[in-house]
Amino acid sequence: QLQLQESGPGLVKPSETLTLTCTVSGGSISIVGYYWAWIRQPPGKGLEWIGTIYHRGSTYYNPSLKRRVTMSVDTSRNQFSLEVDYLTATDTAVYYCARRLVDGNGYYGPHFDHWGQGALVTVSS
Amino acid sequence: QSVLTQPPSASGTPGQRVTISCSGSSSNLGNNYVYWYQQFPGTAPKILIYTNDQRPSGIPDRFSGSKSGASASLAISGLRSEDEADYYCAAWDDSLSGPVFGGGTKLTVL
Repeated sequence: QLQLQESGPGLVKPSETLTLTCTVSGGSISIVGYYWAWIRQPPGKGLEWIGTIYHRGSTYYNPSLKRRVTMSVDTSRNQFSLEVDYLTATDTAVYYCARRLVDGNGYYGPHFDHWGQGALVTVSS
Repeated sequence: QSVLTQPPSASGTPGQRVTISCSGSSSNLGNNYVYWYQQFPGTAPKILIYTNDQRPSGIPDRFSGSKSGASASLAISGLRSEDEADYYCAAWDDSLSGPVFGGGTKLTVL
């Protein structure tokens, strides 16, 4: 069974860089047709898509975060990562990694079928 | 402020049918499918409905989805106490070139 697990610091100082890693187990990150995403949720608020990466390295970012976000993939370790620069308190959130799949009709929508448990990241001095 | 608009709360009694609405625009719901997620406190969201009205394996047929134009609805029939959760709609946004979510609806079973 496919499992995703986020790892990284729980507390980061303002203006610093956050690095999170998602480790995929029970399946390969390199399967054709699957994309891998980061989504975050500030405490008590809704979901926000951060970005998506394909195992071959192509990336797609939310325009509102694009200048501060970098995603990468390490197929040898079955992992993908997220970096967010110049953190502020508004970046405090639970960060989820998730797998996005294509629907039966070939449509690529926001269909996230597997999620990590989430990692709470607090930005504070 | 979320791109898709949902009511912040909804409620019903056991056995009732409740609906949760989601409205958007031509750049998202108007031209793309809607997806629905269920989230319990402290846990990750779970896909409930995809491509407007399809249920993944294991999702009871008490949950149904529909879409008309730039609006969508999630209906839950035969409401149960275990349905008490937050529900989010989502869609692809052509302007953003990425997924957008609603602000979420907290469902209370009275």
